[in-house]
Amino acid sequence: KQEVTQIPAALSVPEGENLVLNCSFTDSAIYNLQWFRQDPGKGLTSLLLIQSSQREQTSGRLNASLDKSSGRSTLYIAASQPGDSATYLCAVYNFNKFYFGSGTKLNVKP
Amino acid sequence: GAVVSQHPSWVICKSGTSVKIECRSLDFQATTMFWYRQFPKQSLMLMATSNEGSKATYEQGVEKDKFLINHASLTLSTLTVTSAHPEDSSFYICSAGSGLAGGGQFFGPGTRLTVL
Repeated sequence: KQEVTQIPAALSVPEGENLVLNCSFTDSAIYNLQWFRQDPGKGLTSLLLIQSSQREQTSGRLNASLDKSSGRSTLYIAASQPGDSATYLCAVYNFNKFYFGSGTKLNVKP
Repeated sequence: GAVVSQHPSWVICKSGTSVKIECRSLDFQATTMFWYRQFPKQSLMLMATSNEGSKATYEQGVEKDKFLINHASLTLSTLTVTSAHPEDSSFYICSAGSGLAGGGQFFGPGTRLTVL
């Protein structure tokens, strides 16, 4: 069974810092991997989708990388802002299901 | 991007009543939708896979008679929590994919269920 782990569980940084969130998965036979953002009490907002054949995706200040062979993905956030404060979830898709990590709760201090 | 809606966004009910939650894909057809449950400060737990025109596939430990899923059309799936109890209180989220090759999942805004 696929297991997804996210480290760290929580992160607090001052505004302006660059930061990296980590995601690892046990079964490398994935179809794709998505990074999501979730604000308290809200649903999920898709940030980046990386296909299994891709190495990275970029959107604005966000860059996600994927190393399928080692079962790892990172989400890089440049020049963090207080509005980036949220929980970030990664999810891998295989066996016709999504498997979610437990998330990293990010707090960006003004 | 594609939009998935859920209704209601929140519901409070008495113990013993049944509650229906709708999940709609607004601008695309979805042969498969997924239902998740999320407890406070925890990640999403897949409950079941809803397949249009056939029975849902439930994850281990999820009571299919408790959580009835009906995928009536290519744009609508419903989750009915039958005889709800306080322990069923949770945040329920659905997702749908467009079915396009390599496409990701689009998530609804979630439904907060509180059972008194």
